Amino acid sequence: SQKIEQNSEALNIQEGKTATLTCNYTNYSPAYLQWYRQDPGRGPVFLLLIRENEKEKRKERLKVTFDTTLKQSLFHITASQPADSATYLCALDIGNTGFQKLVFGTGTRLLVSP
Amino acid sequence: DTGVSQDPRHKITKRGQNVTFRCDPISEHNRLYWYRQTLGQGPEFLTYFQNEAQLEKSRLLSDRFSAERPKGSFSTLEIQRTEQGDSAMYLCASSYSDRGHDYGYTFGSGTRLTVV
Repeated sequence: SQKIEQNSEALNIQEGKTATLTCNYTNYSPAYLQWYRQDPGRGPVFLLLIRENEKEKRKERLKVTFDTTLKQSLFHITASQPADSATYLCALDIGNTGFQKLVFGTGTRLLVSP
Repeated sequence: DTGVSQDPRHKITKRGQNVTFRCDPISEHNRLYWYRQTLGQGPEFLTYFQNEAQLEKSRLLSDRFSAERPKGSFSTLEIQRTEQGDSAMYLCASSYSDRGHDYGYTFGSGTRLTVV
């Protein structure tokens, strides 16, 4: 069966540390993998996109890696801040040409304490 | 452009009633999507449009659900004969369709539907 797994337990870290979130998937061949942030009662906000032929992508304090052999993506937030506290969603773009359909994981809640 | 707008933000309806939600996407985007999200879950795909053409519908979208994008701009999602299981956050998103960019989807803030 097709699955996307993110750690359902909340990740608690101290301010200034690096947060690492994991996304594993089975039986998908995504053209893209995307990461979103979601705050309570709000829609997801796009953070980063990485293609199947890319290994790593960075944006400011964010870094995402994508290993299509392991079927895994890692999402890192360096120098974390309390304002980074939110739920982070991994999403696979599974259409043939991209930008057709996203399949989301259940998300991992990140709590950054001062 | 102020992003993707959804209206209303909240809707409480009685079981059996019909409801309609509206989405105004980012004007430069030619793709528009509808997703549904329940508590503790990620968003689930419902349908998407390229301009005014509805290109794919999920099996989640039963006969009671219909979506339109009549002029390739705003979209509506109608649920007929609502059931308690329809209670969820309904999210609209828009995007470009070509592959040569690094922008993802832009989501609206959603419409929270409660069926009582």
